[in-house]
Amino acid sequence: SYELTQSFSVSVSPGQTASITCSGDKLGDRYVFWYQQKPGQSPVLVIYQDRKRPSGIPERISGSNSGNTATLTISETQAMDEADYYCQAWDSSTVIFGGGTKLTVL
Amino acid sequence: EVQLVESGGGLVTPGGSLRLSCAASGFTFSSYSMNWVRQAPGKGLEWVSSISNGANYIHYADSVKGRFTISRDNAKNSLFLQMNSLRAEDTAVYYCARVSTPGGLSAAAGIDYWGQGTLVTVSS
Repeated sequence: SYELTQSFSVSVSPGQTASITCSGDKLGDRYVFWYQQKPGQSPVLVIYQDRKRPSGIPERISGSNSGNTATLTISETQAMDEADYYCQAWDSSTVIFGGGTKLTVL
Repeated sequence: EVQLVESGGGLVTPGGSLRLSCAASGFTFSSYSMNWVRQAPGKGLEWVSSISNGANYIHYADSVKGRFTISRDNAKNSLFLQMNSLRAEDTAVYYCARVSTPGGLSAAAGIDYWGQGTLVTVSS
């Protein structure tokens, strides 16, 4: 079965750039979606189809996908960005989630 | 405003059954495929099941196949998950979630709306 691998945690200082990666076999051949989840809240879609932002998502959040790795990049990181981030793709009509990355803003 | 409201969670003993419901509003429910996604306490997201807008296509995670049944009633704007033979490892918050683009299940579509979740606890 297809798997998506994310690092367990990433730390960043306020104002700096955070990069969260998601890896999978030939992931660049699939669309990748990213979700943000804050404690006690439901997930929120922040990137769809690799690099598109839903309305209301700030431009400092961006995505890319190539080869075996998709990357979620958060520029000018703020305290409000501290959350768990999950990547997602489809495989044979099933939804696959990565294990999630905890972003800590120090 | 799109709203998804789950209900039906609670405490159940191992081997028992539970039926979750999701009431949808604010969009044309019959046009969208839907998912159930769960999250065990302190763990990540796990997809459970998907159903296409017309219920023609249904898929399950291996972990629930043969025990859970997804269904929908488009006339009542409702999504359901019948859960049988429950195990301790099924303990989780269960989210009702909408596939982002109208029509059938698509690898180009993400999940754009999530309910607040309903907690299912399987314990003796």
